[in-house]
Amino acid sequence: AQSVTQLGSHVSVSEGALVLLRCNYSSSVPPYLFWYVQYPNQGLQLLLKYTSAATLVKGINGFEAEFKKSETSFHLTKPSAHMSDAAEYFCAARPFGNEKLTFGTGTRLTIIP
Amino acid sequence: KAGVTQTPRYLIKTRGQQVTLSCSPISGHRSVSWYQQTPGQGLQFLFEYFSETQRNKGNFPGRFSGRQFSNSRSEMNVSTLELGDSALYLCASVVAPGGSSTGELFFGEGSRLTVL
Repeated sequence: AQSVTQLGSHVSVSEGALVLLRCNYSSSVPPYLFWYVQYPNQGLQLLLKYTSAATLVKGINGFEAEFKKSETSFHLTKPSAHMSDAAEYFCAARPFGNEKLTFGTGTRLTIIP
Repeated sequence: KAGVTQTPRYLIKTRGQQVTLSCSPISGHRSVSWYQQTPGQGLQFLFEYFSETQRNKGNFPGRFSGRQFSNSRSEMNVSTLELGDSALYLCASVVAPGGSSTGELFFGEGSRLTVL
C-alpha cells in the first residue's frame, strides 16, 4: 500500500527565511504527487502537483517542489517566508487511474516575526 | 465558477444518533470523494463515487455510507454515532476519474461534526 511520510509535524521559520517542508512517498511507480495547504477552519487548497511532466513544479504563493525519484521525495520550498504562509501543509499521493489520495500526517508551519 | 459546497458547516449530535452530510461538486465534475480528518488519524479516505456508483472505499465500518445522485451531488451518512466520529468531513470533486486523469481534487470547506 502506498504511504506518504512528512518529516516534522511542526516547523518554525523566521519571516523572510527559507521554508522547507519534507515529503517522501513509498511506491515502486512514481504516483501523482500533490501539496495542499489548510488554513484554520477551512478545506484543503492545492498548492501544486507533480504529474511527470517536469521534476520542478511551481505552484501558487511562491511555493515550488522538486520531484526526486532516486530519493522518492517531493519536498516543498519557498525562498522567503511570509506571515500569511502560517498554515498546515499536507503532502498527498495517488496512483494512476485511481482517485484515492493518500495523505501525509501534515506539517504545521509557524512563521516567527 | 462556484467551488465545492458542503452543508451543514457545523453540527452537533449525540451518541447513537445518525447524521447526513451533503456535498455539491463543482459544476461539470462527476466524481466525488469523502475524507475524514481528525487530530489523531489525520486525513483518511472514506469513499469515492462516480456516476452514482461507489468506485473506491476506505477502511471504515459499515456505519459510514454514501451515495451519489444523477446530478453528481453526494451525501454521506453516519449511523449510530460514536464519540470518535467527531471530525471534519471533507468532500472533494474531480472532473472525471481514472485513466490518465491528472486532475487534482478540489476540496470543500468541510462539515465539522461534534458528537457528544
